[in-house]
Amino acid sequence: GQNIDQPTEMTATEGAIVQINCTYQTSGFNGLFWYQQHAGEAPTFLSYNVLDGLEEKGRFSSFLSRSKGYSYLLLKELQMKDSASYLCAVSHTGGFKTIFGAGTRLFVKA
Amino acid sequence: SAVISQKPSRDICQRGTSLTIQCQVDSQVTMMFWYRQQPGQSLTLIATANQGSEATYESGFVIDKFPISRPNLTFSTLTVSNMSPEDSSIYLCSVEFPGAGNEQFFGPGTRLTVL
Repeated sequence: GQNIDQPTEMTATEGAIVQINCTYQTSGFNGLFWYQQHAGEAPTFLSYNVLDGLEEKGRFSSFLSRSKGYSYLLLKELQMKDSASYLCAVSHTGGFKTIFGAGTRLFVKA
Repeated sequence: SAVISQKPSRDICQRGTSLTIQCQVDSQVTMMFWYRQQPGQSLTLIATANQGSEATYESGFVIDKFPISRPNLTFSTLTVSNMSPEDSSIYLCSVEFPGAGNEQFFGPGTRLTVL
Protein backbone atom coordinates (compact mmCIF):
# COMPACT_ATOMS: atom_id res chain seq x y z
CA GLY A 1 0.00 0.00 0.00
CA GLN A 2 0.93 3.62 0.05
CA ASN A 3 0.44 6.43 2.51
CA ILE A 4 1.37 10.10 2.30
CA ASP A 5 1.03 12.37 5.34
CA GLN A 6 1.33 16.13 5.55
CA PRO A 7 -0.18 18.70 7.88
CA THR A 8 -3.64 19.91 6.98
CA GLU A 9 -3.05 23.61 7.54
CA MET A 10 -0.26 26.01 8.46
CA THR A 11 -0.16 29.74 9.08
CA ALA A 12 2.90 31.95 8.71
CA THR A 13 3.73 35.63 8.56
CA GLU A 14 4.77 37.57 5.49
CA GLY A 15 8.57 37.67 5.19
CA ALA A 16 9.07 34.62 7.39
CA ILE A 17 10.23 31.09 6.59
CA VAL A 18 7.93 28.07 6.69
CA GLN A 19 8.70 24.36 6.39
CA ILE A 20 6.02 21.94 5.22
CA ASN A 21 6.77 18.33 6.06
CA CYS A 22 5.71 15.20 4.22
CA THR A 23 6.20 11.57 5.19
CA TYR A 24 5.42 8.68 2.92
CA GLN A 25 5.27 4.91 2.89
CA THR A 26 5.26 3.25 -0.46
CA SER A 27 6.74 0.51 -2.59
CA GLY A 28 8.52 1.17 -5.85
CA PHE A 29 9.50 4.73 -4.98
CA ASN A 30 10.76 6.72 -7.94
CA GLY A 31 10.79 10.30 -6.71
CA LEU A 32 8.88 12.95 -4.82
CA PHE A 33 7.13 16.04 -6.14
CA TRP A 34 5.89 19.23 -4.60
CA TYR A 35 3.09 21.09 -6.35
CA GLN A 36 1.44 24.40 -5.54
CA GLN A 37 -2.29 24.85 -6.05
CA HIS A 38 -4.12 28.14 -5.66
CA ALA A 39 -7.83 27.95 -4.98
CA GLY A 40 -9.79 27.22 -8.13
CA GLU A 41 -6.69 26.57 -10.22
CA ALA A 42 -4.81 23.51 -11.42
CA PRO A 43 -1.66 22.39 -9.57
CA THR A 44 1.66 23.76 -10.81
CA PHE A 45 5.01 22.04 -10.46
CA LEU A 46 7.47 23.27 -7.85
CA SER A 47 10.12 20.58 -7.42
CA TYR A 48 11.09 16.98 -7.96
CA ASN A 49 13.56 15.09 -5.74
CA VAL A 50 14.97 11.71 -6.68
CA LEU A 51 18.18 11.60 -4.62
CA ASP A 52 18.69 12.43 -0.97
CA GLY A 53 19.50 16.02 -0.22
CA LEU A 54 18.37 19.57 -0.70
CA GLU A 55 17.33 21.12 -4.01
CA GLU A 56 17.16 24.91 -4.02
CA LYS A 57 15.18 26.94 -6.52
CA GLY A 58 14.87 30.60 -5.66
CA ARG A 59 12.75 31.12 -2.57
CA PHE A 60 11.68 27.47 -2.56
CA SER A 61 13.80 24.48 -1.49
CA SER A 62 12.88 20.83 -1.22
CA PHE A 63 14.59 18.12 0.79
CA LEU A 64 14.37 14.35 0.52
CA SER A 65 15.51 11.47 2.71
CA ARG A 66 14.65 8.20 1.01
CA SER A 67 15.76 6.06 3.96
CA LYS A 68 13.42 7.95 6.29
CA GLY A 69 10.55 8.34 3.84
CA TYR A 70 10.60 12.06 4.54
CA SER A 71 10.57 15.28 2.59
CA TYR A 72 10.03 18.93 3.30
CA LEU A 73 9.32 22.05 1.29
CA LEU A 74 10.93 25.22 2.59
CA LEU A 75 9.52 28.59 1.59
CA LYS A 76 11.61 31.68 2.40
CA GLU A 77 10.70 35.36 2.40
CA LEU A 78 7.04 34.51 2.37
CA GLN A 79 4.72 36.63 0.28
CA MET A 80 0.96 36.93 0.45
CA LYS A 81 0.71 35.24 -2.94
CA ASP A 82 2.26 32.11 -1.41
CA SER A 83 -1.07 31.44 0.30
CA ALA A 84 -2.09 28.20 -1.42
CA SER A 85 -2.27 24.45 -0.97
CA TYR A 86 1.02 22.57 -1.24
CA LEU A 87 0.74 19.01 -2.44
CA CYS A 88 3.33 16.34 -1.73
CA ALA A 89 3.20 13.59 -4.36
CA VAL A 90 5.08 10.34 -4.83
CA SER A 91 6.04 8.94 -8.21
CA HIS A 92 5.97 5.16 -8.52
CA THR A 93 8.12 2.96 -10.70
CA GLY A 94 5.15 0.71 -11.36
CA GLY A 95 3.00 2.30 -14.05
CA PHE A 96 4.79 5.63 -13.67
CA LYS A 97 1.83 7.00 -11.78
CA THR A 98 1.93 9.81 -9.25
CA ILE A 99 -0.03 9.62 -6.02
CA PHE A 100 -0.87 12.82 -4.18
CA GLY A 101 -1.09 13.57 -0.48
CA ALA A 102 -4.04 15.45 0.93
CA GLY A 103 -2.21 18.78 0.70
CA THR A 104 -1.26 21.47 3.21
CA ARG A 105 -3.18 24.72 3.10
CA LEU A 106 -0.79 27.56 3.86
CA PHE A 107 -2.14 30.91 5.02
CA VAL A 108 0.27 33.84 4.86
CA LYS A 109 -0.76 36.77 7.03
CA ALA A 110 0.51 40.32 7.03
CA SER B 1 5.80 22.46 -21.35
CA ALA B 2 2.80 22.68 -23.65
CA VAL B 3 -0.73 23.97 -23.83
CA ILE B 4 -3.31 21.63 -22.31
CA SER B 5 -6.97 22.42 -22.76
CA GLN B 6 -10.09 20.79 -21.38
CA LYS B 7 -13.69 21.01 -22.53
CA PRO B 8 -16.05 21.84 -21.02
CA SER B 9 -14.54 24.07 -18.33
CA ARG B 10 -17.63 23.55 -16.22
CA ASP B 11 -21.06 21.95 -16.46
CA ILE B 12 -24.16 21.37 -14.41
CA CYS B 13 -25.80 18.03 -15.12
CA GLN B 14 -28.83 16.08 -14.03
CA ARG B 15 -28.62 12.87 -12.08
CA GLY B 16 -28.51 9.78 -14.31
CA THR B 17 -26.99 11.50 -17.33
CA SER B 18 -23.45 11.20 -18.66
CA LEU B 19 -20.82 13.80 -19.50
CA THR B 20 -17.74 13.43 -21.69
CA ILE B 21 -14.73 15.59 -20.88
CA GLN B 22 -12.10 16.23 -23.52
CA CYS B 23 -8.40 16.84 -22.99
CA GLN B 24 -6.29 18.19 -25.84
CA VAL B 25 -2.54 18.75 -25.82
CA ASP B 26 -0.72 20.76 -28.45
CA SER B 27 2.17 18.27 -28.68
CA GLN B 28 2.58 14.51 -28.46
CA VAL B 29 2.87 13.09 -24.96
CA THR B 30 3.72 9.67 -23.64
CA MET B 31 1.53 9.51 -20.56
CA MET B 32 -1.89 11.00 -19.90
CA PHE B 33 -3.73 10.70 -16.62
CA TRP B 34 -7.17 11.58 -15.30
CA TYR B 35 -7.62 12.84 -11.74
CA ARG B 36 -10.58 13.80 -9.63
CA GLN B 37 -10.46 16.51 -6.99
CA GLN B 38 -13.47 16.72 -4.73
CA PRO B 39 -14.18 19.97 -2.88
CA GLY B 40 -11.47 20.75 -0.36
CA GLN B 41 -9.59 17.55 -1.09
CA SER B 42 -6.44 16.57 -2.91
CA LEU B 43 -6.16 14.82 -6.25
CA THR B 44 -7.19 11.21 -6.66
CA LEU B 45 -5.91 9.30 -9.67
CA ILE B 46 -8.76 7.73 -11.64
CA ALA B 47 -6.82 6.06 -14.43
CA THR B 48 -3.90 6.17 -16.82
CA ALA B 49 -5.03 6.68 -20.40
CA ASN B 50 -3.02 4.40 -22.67
CA GLN B 51 -2.75 5.15 -26.36
CA GLY B 52 -4.13 2.30 -28.43
CA SER B 53 -5.21 0.13 -25.52
CA GLU B 54 -7.57 0.10 -22.56
CA ALA B 55 -7.01 2.53 -19.72
CA THR B 56 -5.48 1.32 -16.45
CA TYR B 57 -7.86 2.06 -13.58
CA GLU B 58 -7.01 2.66 -9.94
CA SER B 59 -8.70 0.87 -7.11
CA GLY B 60 -12.25 2.11 -6.67
CA PHE B 61 -12.69 3.21 -10.26
CA VAL B 62 -14.16 1.06 -13.03
CA ILE B 63 -14.45 1.32 -16.77
CA ASP B 64 -18.24 1.15 -16.80
CA LYS B 65 -18.45 4.29 -14.67
CA PHE B 66 -15.49 6.18 -16.16
CA PRO B 67 -14.88 5.01 -19.73
CA ILE B 68 -11.75 6.58 -21.22
CA SER B 69 -10.59 6.91 -24.78
CA ARG B 70 -7.13 7.79 -26.07
CA PRO B 71 -7.18 7.60 -29.86
CA ASN B 72 -3.81 9.33 -30.35
CA LEU B 73 -0.88 10.93 -28.53
CA THR B 74 -2.49 14.36 -28.15
CA PHE B 75 -6.08 13.66 -27.12
CA SER B 76 -8.11 11.80 -24.51
CA THR B 77 -11.66 11.75 -23.20
CA LEU B 78 -13.12 10.79 -19.85
CA THR B 79 -16.84 10.04 -19.55
CA VAL B 80 -18.59 10.23 -16.21
CA SER B 81 -21.53 7.85 -16.63
CA ASN B 82 -24.88 7.66 -14.87
CA MET B 83 -23.96 10.60 -12.70
CA SER B 84 -25.00 11.14 -9.11
CA PRO B 85 -24.39 14.15 -6.83
CA GLU B 86 -21.38 12.31 -5.38
CA ASP B 87 -19.67 12.74 -8.77
CA SER B 88 -19.64 16.51 -8.32
CA SER B 89 -15.96 17.31 -8.50
CA ILE B 90 -13.20 18.87 -10.54
CA TYR B 91 -11.82 16.50 -13.15
CA LEU B 92 -8.27 17.17 -14.35
CA CYS B 93 -6.19 15.63 -17.06
CA SER B 94 -2.44 15.66 -16.73
CA VAL B 95 0.39 14.74 -19.07
CA GLU B 96 4.03 13.76 -18.97
CA PHE B 97 6.38 14.75 -21.75
CA PRO B 98 9.24 12.64 -23.08
CA GLY B 99 12.50 13.77 -21.54
CA ALA B 100 10.82 15.91 -18.90
CA GLY B 101 11.40 13.44 -16.12
CA ASN B 102 8.27 12.50 -14.27
CA GLU B 103 6.91 16.04 -13.98
CA GLN B 104 3.22 16.23 -14.72
CA PHE B 105 1.52 19.21 -16.26
CA PHE B 106 -2.14 19.71 -15.54
CA GLY B 107 -5.00 20.93 -17.64
CA PRO B 108 -7.22 23.69 -16.24
CA GLY B 109 -9.83 21.22 -15.00
CA THR B 110 -13.53 20.65 -15.58
CA ARG B 111 -15.81 21.63 -12.71
CA LEU B 112 -18.79 19.28 -12.66
CA THR B 113 -21.90 19.78 -10.56
CA VAL B 114 -24.54 17.05 -10.52
CA LEU B 115 -28.00 17.97 -9.30
